[in-house]
Amino acid sequence: SYVLTRPPSVSVAPGKTARITCGGNNIGSKSVHWYQQKPGQAPVLVIYYDNDRPSGIPERFSGSNSGNTATLTISRVEAGDEADYYCQVWDSSSDHPVVFGGGTKLTVL
Amino acid sequence: QVQLVESGGGLVKPGGSLRLSCAASGFNFNDYYMSWIRQAPGKGLEWVSYISSSGTTIHYADSVKGRFTISRDNAKNSLYLQMNSLRAEDTAVYYCAKFTIFGGWFDPWGQGTLVTVSS
Repeated sequence: SYVLTRPPSVSVAPGKTARITCGGNNIGSKSVHWYQQKPGQAPVLVIYYDNDRPSGIPERFSGSNSGNTATLTISRVEAGDEADYYCQVWDSSSDHPVVFGGGTKLTVL
Repeated sequence: QVQLVESGGGLVKPGGSLRLSCAASGFNFNDYYMSWIRQAPGKGLEWVSYISSSGTTIHYADSVKGRFTISRDNAKNSLYLQMNSLRAEDTAVYYCAKFTIFGGWFDPWGQGTLVTVSS
């Protein structure tokens, strides 16, 4: 089945830019979605279709997807952005159509 | 607003069964695919199953195929997960989520219900 790789943790100072990557074979050909999960809470969709934001998600959140890497970028990081972030791909033609990455812990220093 | 509320979790012995429910409100439930996703304690997210709006298309993860059954009752705006032959590794918080099939994303998610499989 399709495998997604990611850094287990990313640290960033407040006000700076955080970039969380999600790697996969030719991931640029797939739809990538990103979720934010804070401790004790359910995941929340923050990016869908590589770079679309649901209503209510700040413009500071953006995404990109090309080649073998998808990236979630959080600009002007705030303390409230500290959370686990998960990438997810959808491949309707696969026997394993839904795959989640292992999650990246974003720490705001 | 869209709301999903799971129930039915609890402690069950290995080999036992449990039925989870998810009550949906705030949207036309019978127009949307739905899905179950789980998260073992301290671990990442694992997709479990999804079901089409009519219930005719169903897909399972290999880890639960043959043991879990997803279903829905559109008249009751409810989604279900029948879990049989439970194993310790099925211990997790189980989330239901609205699933957008043409793009493959989950939004929103319920608050989850904890299933613990232990003797």
